[in-house]
Amino acid sequence: AQTVTQSQPEMSVQEAETVTLSCTYDTSESDYYLFWYKQPPSRQMILVIRQEAYKQQNATENRFSVNFQKAAKSFSLKISDSQLGDAAMYFCAYRSRSLGAGGTSYGKLTFGQGTILTVHP
Amino acid sequence: DTGVSQNPRHKITKRGQNVTFRCDPISEHNRLYWYRQTLGQGPEFLTYFQNEAQLEKSRLLSDRFSAERPKGSFSTLEIQRTEQGDSAMYLCASSYRLAGGGEETQYFGPGTRLLVL
Repeated sequence: AQTVTQSQPEMSVQEAETVTLSCTYDTSESDYYLFWYKQPPSRQMILVIRQEAYKQQNATENRFSVNFQKAAKSFSLKISDSQLGDAAMYFCAYRSRSLGAGGTSYGKLTFGQGTILTVHP
Repeated sequence: DTGVSQNPRHKITKRGQNVTFRCDPISEHNRLYWYRQTLGQGPEFLTYFQNEAQLEKSRLLSDRFSAERPKGSFSTLEIQRTEQGDSAMYLCASSYRLAGGGEETQYFGPGTRLLVL
């Protein structure tokens, strides 16, 4: 079974500064997806960024970028030029890309415990 | 497209009562997932549907839990004889299964927060 670990329960950053959130995972699979989701207080979870394991190039989405180290099974999220609206719980998630029999174990997300990000003005 | 919706948003019930939650996915999304999230933790997978077929259930889904997706549209999650340990946020997500087996991003609803007294 796959596991995802976020070792930073809380992080804080000054507005306009850069912060990096850590995530490690464990899997025996070679083909999978990794995601960072953001969950603002009392609001629904939204996708921040997605990485395919077979791609060596790190994904970027505007101010958000990842550092994907496949051999180390590490997937960190860097937020540049932090804004007050970035304050939220951030979850790292894993999804297998394997096509199991009947679609089993395919598509479900395995989440880490989350990191609460506080942005100070 | 209004996104994934869930009703009710909040539910307070007494131990032993039955509750039912509803999820309306994004239209034309053929996959629907249920997750449970306890306070301060990440969501945990419960079950998923491809169209109307329930293809996988987690061991977290005890016999007191049942989920349906009639006609492959909305889904309901029912908890019978609720226990205090069932108190959590129940999240629904939907996605589109692509030809060839791939899947687009899962979009989440706002969740139903259940409190069992």
